[in-house]
Amino acid sequence: GQNIDQPTEMTATEGAIVQINCTYQTSGFNGLFWYQQHAGEAPTFLSYNVLDGLEEKGRFSSFLSRSKGYSYLLLKELQMKDSASYLCAVRDSNYQLIWGAGTKLIIKP
Amino acid sequence: DGGITQSPKYLFRKEGQNVTLSCEQNLNHDAMYWYRQDPGQGLRLIYYSQIVNDFQKGDIAEGYSVSREKKESFPLTVTSAQKNPTAFYLCASGDRVTSGANVLTFGAGSRLTVL
Repeated sequence: GQNIDQPTEMTATEGAIVQINCTYQTSGFNGLFWYQQHAGEAPTFLSYNVLDGLEEKGRFSSFLSRSKGYSYLLLKELQMKDSASYLCAVRDSNYQLIWGAGTKLIIKP
Repeated sequence: DGGITQSPKYLFRKEGQNVTLSCEQNLNHDAMYWYRQDPGQGLRLIYYSQIVNDFQKGDIAEGYSVSREKKESFPLTVTSAQKNPTAFYLCASGDRVTSGANVLTFGAGSRLTVL
């Protein structure tokens, strides 16, 4: 079966750096996505990786290793507004999105 | 501003009733999707549509129905056959997937509670 694993919850301090990991086992691979979702709101797109390596976008970066079935989202200079759930999703060989359960990130002052 | 509008945001239903959740987009996207989100689980695909007057079942279509009569609209009906309908429902839209990122845009969601 297809599976995406993320930690359920993480806690970090304002101003610090946090890394949220995502491992996947899917039928084929056509890209990996990270979305941010504040409680009770719509998920919003953060990043997309299809080739190995690091994609940097401001305070957020996303890394992909296809051979290891592994990605991480790196958040720098954490702000209180970064408290949210972070969803990892992989597009499989049928171009269907497979979603992880999300990682709830709690930022403490 | 372009976006996706879902309504109602909160909905209560008695057992045995059908309810319809509205989803409208003005992004000129061909594809539209309905997902269900439950605590501790990833988004699960209910139905999707790549073009007007055509739609396909997702992983958990039983107990749900949809229509796609207009490009902008993709309503979801939760029927009485759905055994556990209490959930957060998300509608999304995007370009038809052929390659590239094809980022999805999501609505704000509809929370359905069965009493």
